[in-house]
Amino acid sequence: DQQVKQNSPSLSVQEGRISILNCDYTNSMFDYFLWYKKYPAEGPTFLISISSIKDKNEDGRFTVFLNKSAKHLSLHIVPSQPGDSAVYFCAARNSGYALNFGKGTSLLVTP
Amino acid sequence: GAVVSQHPSRVICKSGTSVKIECRSLDFQATTMFWYRQFPKKSLMLMATSNEGSKATYEQGVEKDKFLINHASLTLSTLTVTSAHPEDSSFYICSASRGPTTEAFFGQGTRLTVV
Repeated sequence: DQQVKQNSPSLSVQEGRISILNCDYTNSMFDYFLWYKKYPAEGPTFLISISSIKDKNEDGRFTVFLNKSAKHLSLHIVPSQPGDSAVYFCAARNSGYALNFGKGTSLLVTP
Repeated sequence: GAVVSQHPSRVICKSGTSVKIECRSLDFQATTMFWYRQFPKKSLMLMATSNEGSKATYEQGVEKDKFLINHASLTLSTLTVTSAHPEDSSFYICSASRGPTTEAFFGQGTRLTVV
């Protein structure tokens, strides 16, 4: 049972524009959400996170928005750069437990 | 960020043999380590949670006698795939965290191919 869902398997964005990656979850007990970036044959790299008590967290070009009522979060990348091309995983945690991952969204930023 | 080193990055073994994968936290003490498996075009699936000094907690459907996990110190956890079969071929990733409410940092992953 997939508790974290990323319904868009891929996304293509032009360089300089905004990339918006979406994530939905079903477990209302999740208290912490994270985004990871992953290249093929490598482990995920942590990008940004947000606690369930907040609705926005910003770090440079990356902003994560959380809508608890809709059980939805999104990652905004502005401006998008070709080096951002990778697979992005949304993950959620139920305090003290391991991460539940979505299936990932493959982002391609074209010059 | 913290550094987690996973070794080897790639291994090929024969059916029936055992393979050990190491996960080390290089600059912090990891009370908890997690082992994931990723199938092609699939998400990362949690296999087990490893706590230092105690037995690992396995997820439903994961054979604990086949995937042996040892977390003998605060900086090292190992995953041993015993009596490997071709269907065990996959990408295995470990992560480590200082505690249950802190970020988990991932190793580089291990590509296991069983022939």
